[in-house]
Amino acid sequence: DQQVKQNSPSLSVQEGRISILNCDYTNSMFDYFLWYKKYPAEGPTFLISISSIKDKNEDGRFTVFLNKSAKHLSLHIVPSQPGDSAVYFCAATSFGNEKLTFGTGTRLTIIP
Amino acid sequence: KAGVTQTPRYLIKTRGQQVTLSCSPISGHRSVSWYQQTPGQGLQFLFEYFSETQRNKGNFPGRFSGRQFSNSRSEMNVSTLELGDSALYLCASSYNRDTGELFFGEGSRLTVL
Repeated sequence: DQQVKQNSPSLSVQEGRISILNCDYTNSMFDYFLWYKKYPAEGPTFLISISSIKDKNEDGRFTVFLNKSAKHLSLHIVPSQPGDSAVYFCAATSFGNEKLTFGTGTRLTIIP
Repeated sequence: KAGVTQTPRYLIKTRGQQVTLSCSPISGHRSVSWYQQTPGQGLQFLFEYFSETQRNKGNFPGRFSGRQFSNSRSEMNVSTLELGDSALYLCASSYNRDTGELFFGEGSRLTVL
């Protein structure tokens, strides 16, 4: 049972445009959400997070939006840069719980 | 500050053998988690240790086990290896259990022949 779903395995975006990566979850107990970025042959690195008490969190070019009623979150990257090409994982957890439930990832390719 | 270190980075085993993977967390981090990454499955949680105690365990068979030492270093062991155990095994450490933010190592890529 996939509790965190990333339905788009891949996404291609022109450099300079906006990249939007989507994630859906089913478990109502999740109250903290994170995005990780992974380059080949490297471990995932933390990108940005959002608590369920918020609906938006920004960090530079990265913004995460949370729609609790739809159990949906999205990561916006603007403007997209070639170095953003990577696999992006959405993850969810309950506050205070070390266990992260990950989605299957979306491979983002930025086209120069 | 040194990151999470995993050894070995690559290894090849045959079915039926056992394997031990090692993880040194970031200095000061007391929580260590292990994840298995396979194509199409994303990252699957194996277990989490905090102060030498297993706090959480994922849905993996008993062939998968782990432990944590007093210096927070952790090992995971897989016995009686199966072809399906071929995967990237990722270790992650954290200082603050409240945020869920984990710092991952580069992983140990296990191939079972």
